[in-house]
Amino acid sequence: NAGVTQTPKFRVLKTGQSMTLLCAQDMNHEYMYWYRQDPGMGLRLIHYSVGEGTTAKGEVPDGYNVSRLKKQNFLLGLESAAPSQTSVYFCASSYSWVGSYNEQFFGPGTRLTVL
Amino acid sequence: GENVEQHPSTLSVQEGDSAVIKCTYSDSASNYFPWYKQELGKRPQLIIDIRSNVGEKKDQRIAVTLNKTAKHFSLHITETQPEDSAVYFCAASIGNNAGGTSYGKLTFGQGTILTVHP
Repeated sequence: NAGVTQTPKFRVLKTGQSMTLLCAQDMNHEYMYWYRQDPGMGLRLIHYSVGEGTTAKGEVPDGYNVSRLKKQNFLLGLESAAPSQTSVYFCASSYSWVGSYNEQFFGPGTRLTVL
Repeated sequence: GENVEQHPSTLSVQEGDSAVIKCTYSDSASNYFPWYKQELGKRPQLIIDIRSNVGEKKDQRIAVTLNKTAKHFSLHITETQPEDSAVYFCAASIGNNAGGTSYGKLTFGQGTILTVHP
């Protein structure tokens, strides 16, 4: 099993450009999450999904959109990139058993720089 | 919403010493507290977790303690080794409650950079 994978690993954008980050998992997890990691601020939840066709806002959703058309994929979009979106982006997934305490499995991350 | 504070932000120890990282949380409904280790340039990986019905959990050289009354939990690493050098994150969650809206979402602390000197 590949676990959680992310594409691309690195990207440099100019202000105003758009891009899509792809997250894929092969563990049949219902729940998927997108985080951004900035120095001294830990990981902050951008958006999450509790199943195919569903998405919801996290702590810092502004400037991002997401889609979950297939259970195994979770896409994060930046429509008009800004320098403040320079960050490392991590995708994660977990099981959805009710009443459980689910470990989140992380992807390797995407380092995005917006000039 | 939940707020997690983590201290210290940096910690430097000599090999063989113990290291302690502390976190506090604000939401009394939180009942799951994982700790993640992130090596430089790598993804966060779960090293230990504790649930609210347990006060302490140990796994070889690492242990976690939880004080629900005070709303704080701590990571203890004994006999530290250079390979323990990494960033450590605590997190809190309400878990995946039936009929609720928690969906296992984690709120992370700001991270502690641990350096173990040989």
